[in-house]
Amino acid sequence: DQQVKQNSPSLSVQEGRISILNCDYTNSMFDYFLWYKKYPAEGPTFLISISSIKDKNEDGRFTVFLNKSAKHLSLHIVPSQPGDSAVYFCAASEGTGNQFYFGTGTSLTVIP
Amino acid sequence: KAGVTQTPRYLIKTRGQQVTLSCSPISGHRSVSWYQQTPGQGLQFLFEYFSETQRNKGNFPGRFSGRQFSNSRSEMNVSTLELGDSALYLCASSPRWGQGSETQYFGPGTRLLVL
Repeated sequence: DQQVKQNSPSLSVQEGRISILNCDYTNSMFDYFLWYKKYPAEGPTFLISISSIKDKNEDGRFTVFLNKSAKHLSLHIVPSQPGDSAVYFCAASEGTGNQFYFGTGTSLTVIP
Repeated sequence: KAGVTQTPRYLIKTRGQQVTLSCSPISGHRSVSWYQQTPGQGLQFLFEYFSETQRNKGNFPGRFSGRQFSNSRSEMNVSTLELGDSALYLCASSPRWGQGSETQYFGPGTRLLVL
């Protein structure tokens, strides 16, 4: 059973506009969330994290929003650049270990 | 700091064989996790090691096993390979374990093809 879901397999955005990637989870015990970017044949690259005690975290062009009541996570990229084109994964974990549950990814294409 | 390294990068095996994959974490990181990525499945957690002890295990058969050495390097073994084991195997390291979840940093992966 998929505990973390990314319901949009793909997303296309014009360069300079905002990209919004969404993620939903079912386990209310999840307390730490990560976003990764992945290119083909490479390992995921860490982008940004958020813990459940916050509802927003920013790092440069990347902002993650957490809505615990809706069990919903989103990543905003502003402004989007062609180099942002990649597959984006969200991941969630609970407790003391580092066992993360990943979504199936959203392929972002930024059109120049 | 050097990142997570994995060897080999590519591997071709036949059904029934066994395979061992290696992972060296970021210097100073003591937790190592392994994931399997197959098309359409995202990343599936295999297991996590810290201080040479398995701390968490995902829902994979006993053919998948691992170990961690005193220098935090880890190996993963798959015995009696099946066609469905063809996947990208990713290793990730974190500084600690047991103090709340921490960000994991991934290696480039080992691409395993089972024929």
